[in-house]
Amino acid sequence: EAQVTQNPRYLITVTGKKLTVTCSQNMNHEYMSWYRQDPGLGLRQIYYSMNVEVTDKGDVPEGYKVSRKEKRNFPLILESPSPNQTSLYFCASSLRGRGYGYTFGSGTRLTVV
Amino acid sequence: AQSVAQPEDQVNVAEGNPLTVKCTYSVSGNPYLFWYVQYPNRGLQFLLKYITGDNLVKGSYGFEAEFNKSQTSFHLKKPSALVSDSALYFCAVRDQRTGSQGNLIFGKGTKLSVKP
Repeated sequence: EAQVTQNPRYLITVTGKKLTVTCSQNMNHEYMSWYRQDPGLGLRQIYYSMNVEVTDKGDVPEGYKVSRKEKRNFPLILESPSPNQTSLYFCASSLRGRGYGYTFGSGTRLTVV
Repeated sequence: AQSVAQPEDQVNVAEGNPLTVKCTYSVSGNPYLFWYVQYPNRGLQFLLKYITGDNLVKGSYGFEAEFNKSQTSFHLKKPSALVSDSALYFCAVRDQRTGSQGNLIFGKGTKLSVKP
């Protein structure tokens, strides 16, 4: 089944403890992206990648890192999480080209205490 | 500036009545427009898109959207709402800026509530 897989689905962590949220797609998509969803703010883009080894900042990149060493994987790294990073995170992927929509993962609900 | 606006935070309709969820956009060049739906505790699912051609686009679950270039709108519609349509709906437009064409710009979302 064609899908984007995120892990974990739920995570509670403490301030300052490094964590990684994994994202993997099996559709050979070139483009991948991370969003966070907060009430009243909609979806805000954190980072995106147009292809392997090509990443760029979105609208809210502060406090996050990404890497794209393989086409299928695009992990999101929080080096020192803070409570304001408590949010619902989504990974998405698509083929390159303006006519293609995204396929989204099921989301990761992160709580930083 | 490239942007999408969903002017209603919430839309309430009775089951069986027609529904409309509004979306307006601002983008340079030809717009590439999308609608997504998010059910509780789920990721976003693609509903439909407008790339070119007919202004009325048909999508999943009986939804359709009407592209109106003069009003820069792309409203989502359904002739007869179901309780199971209750969800959060997002409109999105493809970013046309050089180097950003992969990105979708999302609206803030509209919560649709369909009552029996």
